[in-house]
Amino acid sequence: DAKTTQPPSMDCAEGRAANLPCNHSTISGNEYVYWYRQIHSQGPQYIIHGLKNNETNEMASLIITEDRKSSTLILPHATLRDTAVYYCIVRSTEGGKLIFGQGTELSVKP
Amino acid sequence: GAGVSQSPRYKVTKRGQDVALRCDPISGHVSLYWYRQALGQGPEFLTYFNYEAQQDKSGLPNDRFSAERPEGSISTLTIQRTEQRDSAMYRCASSLGAEYEKLFFGSGTQLSVL
Repeated sequence: DAKTTQPPSMDCAEGRAANLPCNHSTISGNEYVYWYRQIHSQGPQYIIHGLKNNETNEMASLIITEDRKSSTLILPHATLRDTAVYYCIVRSTEGGKLIFGQGTELSVKP
Repeated sequence: GAGVSQSPRYKVTKRGQDVALRCDPISGHVSLYWYRQALGQGPEFLTYFNYEAQQDKSGLPNDRFSAERPEGSISTLTIQRTEQRDSAMYRCASSLGAEYEKLFFGSGTQLSVL
């Protein structure tokens, strides 16, 4: 599975958009980009995933560059409850294990 | 149940004892995953099953760790002769099983080896 690189931490003001970057320069054509988040001591929670097109759901938007070597997770209007560790993961389209890295610790501040 | 259920929620044991951690996945979910997580770290993959078949056990640290899912539903992760370094949060997740399906995680079992 391809490795991902994320900044260790980021801050965001409440009500503003949070843009979390991820580099996955070794991603292969049969790998999805997934985003999960983990709030405090809870289990990881699925946010969104994509292959090559941009995706949007009720939680977030995922922007994947044309060469697929990087992506950005966008939380359009961050709230205090969005404070969490955000993990960017690449995973084979054949399924199987998710390999978590260190993630980005996002702090949303009032 | 509505979500992935793990038991016990907390387990304290003495070094050298065996422990068994249980995971009850969401009904109908084909795939079941085990992870462990140290404080301040991301979840570390241990093993996963499709139905009763163990598909990948590459993350099991050594032969003291084993897992089974005999009827394709409930799974047990067993750690024999526990050591202090085994102390961690052990998390189970399940998914419908298709290659693109998301994982749902349980609340975990916090294992402390004294």
